[in-house]
Amino acid sequence: EAQVTQNPRYLITVTGKKLTVTCSQNMNHEYMSWYRQDPGLGLRQIYYSMNVEVTDKGDVPEGYKVSRKEKRNFPLILESPSPNQTSLYFCASSSFGAADTQYFGPGTRLTVL
Amino acid sequence: AQSVTQLDSQVPVFEEAPVELRCNYSSSVSVYLFWYVQYPNQGLQLLLKYLSGSTLVKGINGFEAEFNKSQTSFHLRKPSVHISDTAEYFCAVRRSGGSYIPTFGRGTSLIVHP
Repeated sequence: EAQVTQNPRYLITVTGKKLTVTCSQNMNHEYMSWYRQDPGLGLRQIYYSMNVEVTDKGDVPEGYKVSRKEKRNFPLILESPSPNQTSLYFCASSSFGAADTQYFGPGTRLTVL
Repeated sequence: AQSVTQLDSQVPVFEEAPVELRCNYSSSVSVYLFWYVQYPNQGLQLLLKYLSGSTLVKGINGFEAEFNKSQTSFHLRKPSVHISDTAEYFCAVRRSGGSYIPTFGRGTSLIVHP
């Protein structure tokens, strides 16, 4: 089954404790991205990747890092989380065509205390 | 640069009534247009998309949308909604050439009452 998986689905942590949210897709997609969803603000892109070892900033990259060492994986790293990073995070992937649908993971709800 | 405006943050409607969710976009180049739906506690999934050709696009679950180039709109409609249509709906655009970075609207929460 074609899918995007994210782990963990729920995470409660404390300020400053490094964390990683994993994202993996099994569709051989080149393009992957991370979004955060906040009430009233919709989806905002954090980082995206056009292919292995090619990443770039989205609209709200501050406080986040990503890496793309393998085509299928695109982890999101918060090296020193802060309460304003409490949000719902989505990973998405698509093949390398503007007409192509984005496939979204189920989301990771992060709470930073 | 492109932008997407979803004109209503929340649309309440009674079951079996028709509904229209509005989306306007701005872009200096041609775009592809998408509607995604997010059911409670789930990720987004594609409802329908407009690439070219007929301006009326049909999607899943009885939804359709009409592309209006002169008004730069892509409104989503359903003639008769069900309780199960209660969800968040996102309009999105992607440039048809060059950058593949999509831009999403802020979402419209459709609330269907019995």
